[in-house]
Amino acid sequence: ETGVTQTPRHLVMGMTNKKSLKCEQHLGHNAMYWYKQSAKKPLELMFVYNFKEQTENNSVPSRFSPECPNSSHLFLHLHTLQPEDSALYLCASSPRDTTDTQYFGPGTRLTVL
Amino acid sequence: GQQLNQSPQSMFIQEGEDVSMNCTSSSIFNTWLWYKQDPGEGPVLLIALYKAGELTSNGRLTAQFGITRKDSFLNISASIPSDVGIYFCAGQLGTNAGKSTFGDGTTLTVKP
Repeated sequence: ETGVTQTPRHLVMGMTNKKSLKCEQHLGHNAMYWYKQSAKKPLELMFVYNFKEQTENNSVPSRFSPECPNSSHLFLHLHTLQPEDSALYLCASSPRDTTDTQYFGPGTRLTVL
Repeated sequence: GQQLNQSPQSMFIQEGEDVSMNCTSSSIFNTWLWYKQDPGEGPVLLIALYKAGELTSNGRLTAQFGITRKDSFLNISASIPSDVGIYFCAGQLGTNAGKSTFGDGTTLTVKP
């Protein structure tokens, strides 16, 4: 238990569906991150939020839409995804975006049919 | 962008054996991090290294920050079944978690 929770843990969706992934951290951190993890590939940073403001968008397609209503919660809204978007989506947090260590959640395993 | 080469890709060892894995980069880093990811979970930080030549231990794990600042090594001594998982290295130029470059992992299997 790292203090970062993600729901749902597994999600199967069609290409025309709209769904959302949720991340919550109980560590009092101010920076939150979304990563995509595909098999046999390095973690890919998607978005960074610091004090609720987006500080990094790593050229992510617009079918992925992040939302950070406060420093404890982070969402990833999904719509019209492609099968190649199937992956493990990891959320992480850190005290600030200028600290070196992160605490990761368990991830949401997403399958797009 | 920067890339990390992590090797080996996978290892199958007997319980009790020692394990070595490494990461190399074409460019320098100022921070090296080693993570472990258990099946069905997110990565957990094992060791952080901040200085070239630094050798740091965490129980049976020992990691070193290469003197050239372009590589790092992780050793596990006397492996046990719960060491199974994927081990990732990550390099940072500054202390900015969002600027980490990750290796693609070493999958470790330990046979009892």
